[in-house]
Amino acid sequence: SQTIHQWPATLVQPVGSPLSLECTVEGTSNPNLYWYRQAAGRGLQLLFYSVGIGQISSEVPQNLSASRPQDRQFILSSKKLLLSDSGFYLCAWSGRIGNYEQYFGPGTRLTVT
Amino acid sequence: AQSVAQPEDQVNVAEGNPLTVKCTYSVSGNPYLFWYVQYPNRGLQFLLKYITGDNLVKGSYGFEAEFNKSQTSFHLKKPSALVSDSALYFCAVENRGYQKVTFGTGTKLQVIP
Repeated sequence: SQTIHQWPATLVQPVGSPLSLECTVEGTSNPNLYWYRQAAGRGLQLLFYSVGIGQISSEVPQNLSASRPQDRQFILSSKKLLLSDSGFYLCAWSGRIGNYEQYFGPGTRLTVT
Repeated sequence: AQSVAQPEDQVNVAEGNPLTVKCTYSVSGNPYLFWYVQYPNRGLQFLLKYITGDNLVKGSYGFEAEFNKSQTSFHLKKPSALVSDSALYFCAVENRGYQKVTFGTGTKLQVIP
């Protein structure tokens, strides 16, 4: 069966510090991968998605970036965090053929102070 | 462009009563439609999807949804609500083949004992 991991679960970082959030998927190959941010426990904002290694599409211009160095690894980064980067970050994967739904990781709660 | 509307910020229903959570969508092509549920401080969990075929789809935990093309709706339903159904529910749409999903803003379901 497939599983998706995210870490860390919670993170408190000062403004201006760097960020690295990691997401890995097990039990599937060549997944589509997604990063979302959820503010105030409500709507999801798609940040990045990837259909393959090194292929990243950005949905919102901001100080965040994403990378996919391996097939099942997706990393969200920032060089300098802003207060507005606080939120709940969710990674998700979906299959290429057959299953169109997304499967979400447990999330990372980021607080920028 | 594609969009999803969940017109109710919150739905309250008594335990044992039927529940409906509303969703309407807008997409230029043929849609894939999804419902997800989120419990506090957790990632989203997939409930059900409409891809093609029968307009009434059944999913996890006794939930079902009806695809109505003429009304561009995909309302989530359950015949008898449980207190454990209390959570945040998201409707989502994908323009077929584009691999990018748009989520609604979520509806909080409160089942009252």
